[in-house]
Amino acid sequence: KAGVTQTPRYLIKTRGQQVTLSCSPISGHRSVSWYQQTPGQGLQFLFEYFSETQRNKGNFPGRFSGRQFSNSRSEMNVSTLELGDSALYLCASSLGGITDTQYFGPGTRLTVL
Amino acid sequence: GNSVTQMEGPVTLSEEAFLTINCTYTATGYPSLFWYVQYPGEGLQLLLKATKADDKGSNKGFEATYRKETTSFHLEKGSVQVSDSAVYFCALSARLSGGSNYKLTFGKGTLLTVNP
Repeated sequence: KAGVTQTPRYLIKTRGQQVTLSCSPISGHRSVSWYQQTPGQGLQFLFEYFSETQRNKGNFPGRFSGRQFSNSRSEMNVSTLELGDSALYLCASSLGGITDTQYFGPGTRLTVL
Repeated sequence: GNSVTQMEGPVTLSEEAFLTINCTYTATGYPSLFWYVQYPGEGLQLLLKATKADDKGSNKGFEATYRKETTSFHLEKGSVQVSDSAVYFCALSARLSGGSNYKLTFGKGTLLTVNP
């Protein structure tokens, strides 16, 4: 089975711009979760989508949003980028949700200049 | 709120040494507990998990027991190998207080280096 894929792998943006990241889950997985990883804050949960609905949400501002399509692929959007948004963004898929084993993708490295 | 505290690294051991990485948690209700590992140049992957009190998760010689009385989930391995060098993350999945919203919370990670 193919693993979780994320595109693009690297991205450079400037402050004020917006960005969209994409995640394709393992076939058959209906849950996709997103995480932000930084040296200072570590791994932080952004949100989870299950069957096209946001089911769980972390403590991030509304500039961070997402959606899930009928084929379970998910996108995350960050608007009005700030320097502090520079991070590795990981997505993970699972069968049942965030109480289940998460299968992580390689991540998208976002740099905001 | 929910939180995970794990011992700060880095931890450096010689091959065949005994490993313990401490992890304690604060959570609402009955969380599920996980250890994830990130090998150099690779993505995060599940190492082991436990879903209820007194459960023991095990994989690749690693073990951790869900201790509700001490709110701990310490990772142990009797004899580490060079190939175990990685960053280890303790995590919990639990409901946020006052609602039906679940959240996955990670510790800061512990870098383990095993020397031959």
